[in-house]
Amino acid sequence: GAVVSQHPSRVICKSGTSVKIECRSLDFQATTMFWYRQFPKQSLMLMATSNEGSKATYEQGVEKDKFLINHASLTLSTLTVTSAHPEDSSFYICSAPADPGLAGTFFLSTDTQYFGPGTRLTVL
Amino acid sequence: AQRVTQPEKLLSVFKGAPVELKCNYSYSGSPELFWYVQYSRQRLQLLLRHISRESIKGFTADLNKGETSFHLKKPFAQEEDSAMYYCALSGGLSGFQKLVFGTGTRLLVSP
Repeated sequence: GAVVSQHPSRVICKSGTSVKIECRSLDFQATTMFWYRQFPKQSLMLMATSNEGSKATYEQGVEKDKFLINHASLTLSTLTVTSAHPEDSSFYICSAPADPGLAGTFFLSTDTQYFGPGTRLTVL
Repeated sequence: AQRVTQPEKLLSVFKGAPVELKCNYSYSGSPELFWYVQYSRQRLQLLLRHISRESIKGFTADLNKGETSFHLKKPFAQEEDSAMYYCALSGGLSGFQKLVFGTGTRLLVSP
């Protein structure tokens, strides 16, 4: 199967600090990963597309200097929330579609996104 | 603009009753439509996609381009179907396309 992990699962930090969230595809490779944000009882809102080897693409209204994304390898993308404030408290979810031809993707559906379990961020 | 609308926040039915979760979309091209499900304390996972025309766990969904709808149906609901269901749209050719999600419908199946 295709497993995407996120670390940490939950984090509490003080206002003004930075928090890094990792998203890993454990048994397949992905050149693209997506970062979503979900407020309580609301839908997932796409924040940005993480691209391995190039800059991330941010959705309209998402501050790229505040939400730094680094796609370090074909299995890892990180989201850093810089100078976090209470309004950044949310549930952050990543997903990765299987990149055809890369390792581990032969039996996966390439039009399916595989989601991580999410990271609950609370900024005090 | 791409938009997905799920008009019902909560759908409550009894076990064995038919279920229909509504989804309407707005997209100028030829979209790909998906239903994702999130069971309690689990991650979001794909339930079915319109291009597969498949039935998963008894659920089916037909893309109606005339009505721009992709409603999810099951003839006989089971308690284990209780979950959050999200309709999602992806534009263009298959690949690493961005998903636009609806607001979700919580299905509650009572015994």
